[in-house]
Amino acid sequence: QIVLTQSPAIMSASPGERVTMTCSASSSVSSSYLYWYQQKSGSSPKLWIYSISNLASGVPARFSGSGSGTSYSLTINSMEAEDAATYYCQQWSSNPYTFGGGTKLEIK
Amino acid sequence: QVQLVETGGGLVRPGNSLKLSCVTSGFTFSNYRMHWLRQPPGKRLEWIAVITVKSDNYGANYAESVKGRFTISRDDSKSSVYLQMNRLREEDTATYYCSPHSFAYWGQGTLVTVSA
Repeated sequence: QIVLTQSPAIMSASPGERVTMTCSASSSVSSSYLYWYQQKSGSSPKLWIYSISNLASGVPARFSGSGSGTSYSLTINSMEAEDAATYYCQQWSSNPYTFGGGTKLEIK
Repeated sequence: QVQLVETGGGLVRPGNSLKLSCVTSGFTFSNYRMHWLRQPPGKRLEWIAVITVKSDNYGANYAESVKGRFTISRDDSKSSVYLQMNRLREEDTATYYCSPHSFAYWGQGTLVTVSA
């Protein structure tokens, strides 16, 4: 199965700061099938970015996604307090579908 | 709007069974593969099962961790998907979610606790 490794596991950022987190795959992932989710404490995950770089409905334009093959990233252009959450990457290019361990983003 | 409501969770002893239900609305249920996923407390999400649509003979696929113990099923007339969980283990303790392909919508989840 494809193992997804996210880094860092925990990070903090000040309002206005640029934030980048990464997702590394053990094997190549087809571009259409690399997704990112946002999850806040006590809530279910929300689809945040699909097919590497497409923002889900309602996601602020300060978010972006990029990458290819085995290396992907999620970037926040200018951190806001509401962005504090855990972000998970997911691949469904290859069964079983797998998730990364998450990056917990905190506000300074 | 799309809604998914999972029910059926609770406290169960190891070795026992439980059946989860997910009732949906707001989309054409019969056209979508449906998935079950779970998240143990404080841990990463895990995909566990998928069921296809009628034209694909309602085929099912499972994660190795649940294969042979869990069964996914659906009732298109009720826009519902189910997860029958047998021979439960403590490591099955998690919040269980249903989601239509391709994961744009999730329910609020139902908590299953397996403990003696």
